[in-house]
Amino acid sequence: KNEVEQSPQNLTAQEGEFITINCSYSVGISALHWLQQHPGGGIVSLFMLSSGKKKHGRLIATINIQEKHSSLHITASHPRDSAVYICAATTGNQFYFGTGTSLTVIP
Amino acid sequence: NAGVTQTPKFRILKIGQSMTLQCAQDMNHNYMYWYRQDPGMGLKLIYYSVGAGITDKGEVPNGYNVSRSTTEYFPLRLELAAPSQTSVYFCASRAGENIQYFGAGTRLSVL
Repeated sequence: KNEVEQSPQNLTAQEGEFITINCSYSVGISALHWLQQHPGGGIVSLFMLSSGKKKHGRLIATINIQEKHSSLHITASHPRDSAVYICAATTGNQFYFGTGTSLTVIP
Repeated sequence: NAGVTQTPKFRILKIGQSMTLQCAQDMNHNYMYWYRQDPGMGLKLIYYSVGAGITDKGEVPNGYNVSRSTTEYFPLRLELAAPSQTSVYFCASRAGENIQYFGAGTRLSVL
């Protein structure tokens, strides 16, 4: 059983659509991270949050500590958003990663 | 700033060979990490360091060793390479309670 589960595994959207990616975790966490892995393999950290909501451009991340659930939203999706989005839970110095959600945005 | 630099980018090893994956960061971050990513699987933490001279095991440390003699460098050593160590290896660093910065990765094949 994975400590971090993501859904959906794969997602195809039309350009402009609102996208939601979900992450559930079973461990007690100190922080929840969202990462973006580009088709070339490079990884970029998008958010680190321990409560509430954070927004950066068209990306919004929320977390509900009681429900052990986080969501990543992309508004007005664009083909350049096509990537794998990875959720990771931090407990102290340990990181537990989901297997990622592969997003394809079609023009 | 270069950020997190990993070398080499690609490497093929024979079973039983050894090698060191290099990782350097120029951001003066105290935390550094080594991960492996197998196809279709999530990233898994191999080792981490909270500062120079301090390292600790992650989820999958067997077959690897690390050292952290300075803040900048965090090499990962593979002894007696095995096919199960075929993977993409990522190094990352962060400062305190902040996001991580990742290197570009090292793609390793053990044949």
